[in-house]
Amino acid sequence: GQSLEQPSEVTAVEGAIVQINCTYQTSGFYGLSWYQQHDGGAPTFLSYNGLDGLEETGRFSSFLSRSDSYGYLLLQELQMKDSASYFCAVKGNDMRFGAGTRLTVKP
Amino acid sequence: DGGITQSPKYLFRKEGQNVTLSCEQNLNHDAMYWYRQDPGQGLRLIYYSQIVNDFQKGDIAEGYSVSREKKESFPLTVTSAQKNPTAFYLCASSMNGGEGTDTQYFGPGTRLTVL
Repeated sequence: GQSLEQPSEVTAVEGAIVQINCTYQTSGFYGLSWYQQHDGGAPTFLSYNGLDGLEETGRFSSFLSRSDSYGYLLLQELQMKDSASYFCAVKGNDMRFGAGTRLTVKP
Repeated sequence: DGGITQSPKYLFRKEGQNVTLSCEQNLNHDAMYWYRQDPGQGLRLIYYSQIVNDFQKGDIAEGYSVSREKKESFPLTVTSAQKNPTAFYLCASSMNGGEGTDTQYFGPGTRLTVL
């Protein structure tokens, strides 16, 4: 079957670095995306990896290893406003999202 | 302003009634998607459309129907056959729905409650 696995919760303090992992098993694979969703809001796009390696966008970086069916989102210099749910998503034969990781940033 | 809109934001219906959720985009995107999100859960794909007059079922299409008569519009009907329709419904669009980078832009969502 198809699945995307990511941790359900992560807690960190302001200024710290946190890594959210995602492993996937899907029908077809074009790339791995990451989305952020604040409570009650809509998901917004953060990052995309179509090829192996690291993509950096400001405080956020994302990594992909296609051979390992694995990726991660790295959040640096955490701020209180980063408290949200983060979803990995695979573009394959359709679009599939993980269950989400709830990040809580504490002072 | 370009964007994707959903209406209404909150919707209440009695059990057994069909209800249609609106989704409109003016981004000139070819692909549109409907997702369902339950509390504390991820997004599950209901239907998607990569081109006008064509759409495909996602994982949880049973009890739902869609149409794509215009590029800008992708309404979702929640029918009485859907056993547990209370949920947060999200519509999204993307440039082409094909290979490669295909960022999805989401509407604000409709929170449906069936009484």
